[in-house]
Amino acid sequence: AQSVAQPEDQVNVAEGNPLTVKCTYSVSGNPYLFWYVQYPNRGLQFLLKYITGDNLVKGSYGFEAEFNKSQTSFHLKKPSALVSDSALYFCAVRAQRNYNTDKLIFGTGTRLQVFP
Amino acid sequence: AAGVIQSPRHLIKEKRETATLKCYPIPRHDTVYWYQQGPGQDPQFLISFYEKMQSDKGSIPDRFSAQQFSDYHSELNMSSLELGDSALYFCASSSGLVTDTQYFGPGTRLTVL
Repeated sequence: AQSVAQPEDQVNVAEGNPLTVKCTYSVSGNPYLFWYVQYPNRGLQFLLKYITGDNLVKGSYGFEAEFNKSQTSFHLKKPSALVSDSALYFCAVRAQRNYNTDKLIFGTGTRLQVFP
Repeated sequence: AAGVIQSPRHLIKEKRETATLKCYPIPRHDTVYWYQQGPGQDPQFLISFYEKMQSDKGSIPDRFSAQQFSDYHSELNMSSLELGDSALYFCASSSGLVTDTQYFGPGTRLTVL
């Protein structure tokens, strides 16, 4: 069965410092991996995805993620954090596609707090 | 760019009442997904539709039903509401391609009193 793990409930980082939000996955077959961000009382906003190709994926708002097949990880990164990046971040994997199975399976989320 | 529209944004119901949530996907998207997010929880898949047919079903109670209409909008009908149904309900849409992104609406916050 497909699953995603986000080992950190919260990540704290000072503004201007690099940030990393960790995600590991377990799938059968090739993984389709996604990062979403959720601000308070808001919907989920798509940041980036890995389908195939380059292991380093660039997304919105300066975020990027590195796919590592040997470590089954897809960590979210940003070189310089902003206070406005403070939000809840979800890693998700798309269940292996067949005719009936394409839902997203989410991790438990990591709350990112960026301090001025 | 057009986004997923959900209505209403907030809904307050009493126990045992019925609620209907609506979702209007991004134009030309033919696949709709419903997710439920309880307080402090990650979103959980409920049900999905592709070209107006149910394509997958998750942990959706029998009290809930959903459908996708000819214009691709979808409705989630919830009956005999329970306190535990209080949650944020998201709709997402995609083009249905295997590599496509699911884009989420702002959600409907349902409170059952």
